[in-house]
Amino acid sequence: EAGVAQSPRYKIIEKRQSVAFWCNPISGHATLYWYQQILGQGPKLLIQFQNNGVVDDSQLPKDRFSAERLKGVDSTLKIQPAKLEDSAVYLCASSSSGRTDTQYFGPGTRLTVL
Amino acid sequence: GENVEQHPSTLSVQEGDSAVIKCTYSDSASNYFPWYKQELGKRPQLIIDIRSNVGEKKDQRIAVTLNKTAKHFSLHITETQPEDSAVYFCAASNANSGYSTLTFGKGTMLLVSP
Repeated sequence: EAGVAQSPRYKIIEKRQSVAFWCNPISGHATLYWYQQILGQGPKLLIQFQNNGVVDDSQLPKDRFSAERLKGVDSTLKIQPAKLEDSAVYLCASSSSGRTDTQYFGPGTRLTVL
Repeated sequence: GENVEQHPSTLSVQEGDSAVIKCTYSDSASNYFPWYKQELGKRPQLIIDIRSNVGEKKDQRIAVTLNKTAKHFSLHITETQPEDSAVYFCAASNANSGYSTLTFGKGTMLLVSP
């Protein structure tokens, strides 16, 4: 079974620039998550989709972050404009139904904001 | 919201020793507690999980215990090996609302010396 795919793997931008990350979940998984993992910390949930609807975006900085999951499959996370504190690894995960199911993580995108 | 505290932040053991990592949670409604292992530069991977209807679960050298009254759970690794060296994250979630949102601890870096 193919795992969660993410691209790009690395991205370096200057502050105030925009950036977008892409995630393709495991086939058939209804639930998709975006996490932010700052160095030395655990993943922090930014947004959770159930199919193509948002079920939790309480920790998403909506003034600069946006995410969509068109057609309930792939998802994109965008930051516009980026700040220095956005430097982190952005992890995408998926699970079968969103209840107490195993979440499978992608390899992550390491973002550096200069 | 849920808050998960994890201790210690770093743990050094000799090969063959046991390692114990402890977590506490704040939301008494949480009912699912997974543990993830993250090797340097890699994605988090589930190693074991426990649900609130059991007190202990084992899988070869790994075990997890849960004390719902005290709101804490622990990961036990016996006969540690150098390949166990990694960062371990505990997490907690409440799926009663229909979907599961994981809150992660800050992680424990385990170093196993040969």
